[in-house]
Amino acid sequence: SAVISQKPSRDICQRGTSLTIQCQVDSQVTMMFWYRQQPGQSLTLIATANQGSEATYESGFVIDKFPISRPNLTFSTLTVSNMSPEDSSIYLCSVGVSSGNTIYFGEGSWLTVV
Amino acid sequence: GESVGLHLPTLSVQEGDNSIINCAYSNSASDYFIWYKQESGKGPQFIIDIRSNMDKRQGQRVTVLLNKTVKHLSLQIAATQPGDSAVYFCAGEHTDKLIFGTGTRLQVFP
Repeated sequence: SAVISQKPSRDICQRGTSLTIQCQVDSQVTMMFWYRQQPGQSLTLIATANQGSEATYESGFVIDKFPISRPNLTFSTLTVSNMSPEDSSIYLCSVGVSSGNTIYFGEGSWLTVV
Repeated sequence: GESVGLHLPTLSVQEGDNSIINCAYSNSASDYFIWYKQESGKGPQFIIDIRSNMDKRQGQRVTVLLNKTVKHLSLQIAATQPGDSAVYFCAGEHTDKLIFGTGTRLQVFP
């Protein structure tokens, strides 16, 4: 399995501001994903982070709101832009070592927007 | 479209009893399924997985059953312990993307 570290683990943010979440993996992985988990809800895929190219976003999520970077095979960032209270969620980084194999999750970044 | 759902939002069991958590999926093209456990304040933790060419897989105290005919997945936990209290999610994979079910909260009573 892969060890996934996310920063920050928690934050309280002012509305209108932006926050960048970092995801660091202890080994090279093929796939990296970002999920959102709203309070009391299940996980929803935001996008697939592609190394060296633009992320692939799921329906309902756009690059202007959730810009993503992936400069190499062990690191990715997700920015939540122009935050509103509706963005209060857990944001989770997940990775797959290779296609068709287990997807592992980090501990998440718990954001509260006030 | 793809969807993965659970039958019950909350399951309460007595310590020592067996637990069964159910999940239904809609996309017959899903070929890989994973069960995750999420404890309060933590990220999802991998429990067990199963591929579509299997109908049963066992781990330590856990068993996953897959019925492709009715598109149904279940997680069985033997001798449920207080430490098993958590929310359990099933997820189905298709084209490397995981689609999650709504989750079942397992409560274990002494």
